[in-house]
Amino acid sequence: QSALTQPPSASGSPGQSVTISCTGTSSDVGGYNYVSWYQQHPGKAPKLMIYEVSKRPSGVPDRFSGSKSGNTASLTVSGLQAEDEADYYCSSYAGSNNFVFGTGTKVTVL
Amino acid sequence: QVQLVQSGAEVKKPGASVKVSCKASGYTFTGYYMHWVRQAPGQGLEWMGRINPNSGGTNYAQKFQGRVTMTRDTSISTAYMELSRLRSDDTAVYYCARADIVGATMGLDWGQGTLVTVSS
Repeated sequence: QSALTQPPSASGSPGQSVTISCTGTSSDVGGYNYVSWYQQHPGKAPKLMIYEVSKRPSGVPDRFSGSKSGNTASLTVSGLQAEDEADYYCSSYAGSNNFVFGTGTKVTVL
Repeated sequence: QVQLVQSGAEVKKPGASVKVSCKASGYTFTGYYMHWVRQAPGQGLEWMGRINPNSGGTNYAQKFQGRVTMTRDTSISTAYMELSRLRSDDTAVYYCARADIVGATMGLDWGQGTLVTVSS
């Protein structure tokens, strides 16, 4: 199972929006609506930000939104804030009781 | 509130085994899958497998088949991940992560991570 493809980095100024892509195949991202996004600050455990493509867990700001088109899922962070600077990972159910993570994207707030 | 508390850091020699524990509290342990994820230094997240604490049923990533064993002790709400025949590239932080009821969304909650260092 190959890792999902994410851009290594993304950036934006405070208040701007940034969108991160997560590209897989029809066997994972394109085949199921079980795409999740995680935020990870240095030295910390990941935190679930989006699940089932576009749902937000309680407590996650509505500045974070998710979507999917074909084999590519996307996470958009609107109104960027300094605390949004972190690594972001997508994951997807990949069938046959398997899961796969994305390669990760480092978001920098300029 | 939900808490997942993992065992402490380990240093192991190549070829040895390591067993990491994850004690759950604040929810019904048997009601939610538990996933295990690892992260090598400076690298991304890697899914290792999951266990259904109710049935004990497991699913492992192909990469770890034959080397990983996930178990649980429902009497103390604790999940375990044992990795055998350790190599230097198994050096990583290992996380347990609670999933939703269906088991398809991992990471509703995470343990604090356990650093396993494999070195001769």
